[in-house]
Amino acid sequence: GDSVTQMEGPVTLSEEAFLTINCTYTATGYPSLFWYVQYPGEGLQLLLKATKADDKGSNKGFEATYRKETTSFHLEKGSVQVSDSAVYFCALIDNYGQNFVFGPGTRLSVLP
Amino acid sequence: DVKVTQSSRYLVKRTGEKVFLECVQDMDHENMFWYRQDPGLGLRLIYFSYDVKMKEKGDIPEGYSVSREKKERFSLILESASTNQTSMYLCASSFTQGRDEQYFGPGTRLTVT
Repeated sequence: GDSVTQMEGPVTLSEEAFLTINCTYTATGYPSLFWYVQYPGEGLQLLLKATKADDKGSNKGFEATYRKETTSFHLEKGSVQVSDSAVYFCALIDNYGQNFVFGPGTRLSVLP
Repeated sequence: DVKVTQSSRYLVKRTGEKVFLECVQDMDHENMFWYRQDPGLGLRLIYFSYDVKMKEKGDIPEGYSVSREKKERFSLILESASTNQTSMYLCASSFTQGRDEQYFGPGTRLTVT
């Protein structure tokens, strides 16, 4: 079945450091890919998405590129802030729009 | 802006009580979902619904039931709450057409004592 794998957390960075959170997926066909963010005590919010190969999603300084050849959708940000501290989830929806799969989440802590 | 609201942010119930968690969305979405979120276990799908009066079991339906009498409202019911149902409960909704994202509510943190 479809699955999403994320790098183990927690990830701890200093403010203004470069962030990468790795995400790889297994799915048949051409899934759409998403990154969600969850701040403490809140629900999940969509951060960015990409619907086809080589698409780049971007929002609030975060970027991720849909790489079909490596089945990856790594999240990056050039300079993190304390306010980026949260849990980040990679997710996909399958070719048919039926099966929505979340990764386990990666907790990010940014220190001042 | 899509809005998904949940009836309570925090709820404390006693073992054996019947508990209702309500979720309402205002975007005419066909699909609605209930998840629970526990540390180290990520998001786990309890039930989902593709249409009014329709329901499908997710990965962990035991001890739960759902009701969808109107398109905008999806209720999760704990028939007899137990301490192992203490968790964060998240409701989500999405369109059927296209491979669209899910929109989440703020969550209900339920404690069963």
